[in-house]
Amino acid sequence: NAGVMQNPRHLVRRRGQEARLRCSPMKGHSHVYWYRQLPEEGLKFMVYLQKENIIDESGMPKERFSAEFPKEGPSILRIQQVVRGDSAAYFCASSRRTGRQETQYFGPGTRLLVL
Amino acid sequence: GQQVMQIPQYQHVQEGEDFTTYCNSSTTLSNIQWYKQRPGGHPVFLIQLVKSGEVKKQKRLTFQFGEAKKNSSLHITATQTTDVGTYFCAGHGSGNTGKLIFGQGTTLQVKP
Repeated sequence: NAGVMQNPRHLVRRRGQEARLRCSPMKGHSHVYWYRQLPEEGLKFMVYLQKENIIDESGMPKERFSAEFPKEGPSILRIQQVVRGDSAAYFCASSRRTGRQETQYFGPGTRLLVL
Repeated sequence: GQQVMQIPQYQHVQEGEDFTTYCNSSTTLSNIQWYKQRPGGHPVFLIQLVKSGEVKKQKRLTFQFGEAKKNSSLHITATQTTDVGTYFCAGHGSGNTGKLIFGQGTTLQVKP
C-alpha cells in the first residue's frame, strides 16, 4: 500500500538549468497538490491539479514554473532557469477527493539545491 | 489574503514537561488540520478538527478548536524525546479546492 512517491529525493542544479520534480499520488487518489517549503518556514501552496487539469495555480510564480498531471504517469513540477532562491523542499500531497474535509497525504519531498 | 499564524516559533522543554502551540487564523475556518514534521522529514497528518469548541485527544496530545473557529491549540503532556519535530496547523483557503494554508510551525526540542 504505497504512499505518495516523489523523485528524486535530492536534486542539485546549477543556476540556469532546469529542474523536474515528479510525484506519484497514492493509489486511488486523483488530486495532487504541490507545496514549497523554504528553510525554517512553513509550507506554501503552489498548485492543485487533477488528471489533465490545473484547478488552482494561485500559488505558482508567474514565470519559470509549470506543473502538469497527465492522463498517464506522475505529476511533474518543472522549474526552468533555476535561481538560488528556488532552493527549497518541494512536497507533493494527494487526496482521494477535493474539498475541505479531505485529508492530504504528503510525499517525502524533493530537496532542491541550486548552486 | 487569509493568514494562519502560530506561536511560539521555537520551544525548548525538559523531557517530562508540557508543551503547547497556538494557531490563529485571520478568517473563520471550516476546519483545521495538524501535521508533524520530523527534522529532514515530511509533514505527517495528525488530526482534523471540524466543530466549534471541539476537543480531541490522541494519547498525550490534546487538540482544541476555538468556539469562533478562528484559533486552535495543540497540547502535549509530559513530553518525550520522540515528540521532537515541527508542528504545523493548516486551514483551508477560500473556495473548495482543498488548498491548505499552513502556519509557520512550532519547532519543539526536548532535552532528555
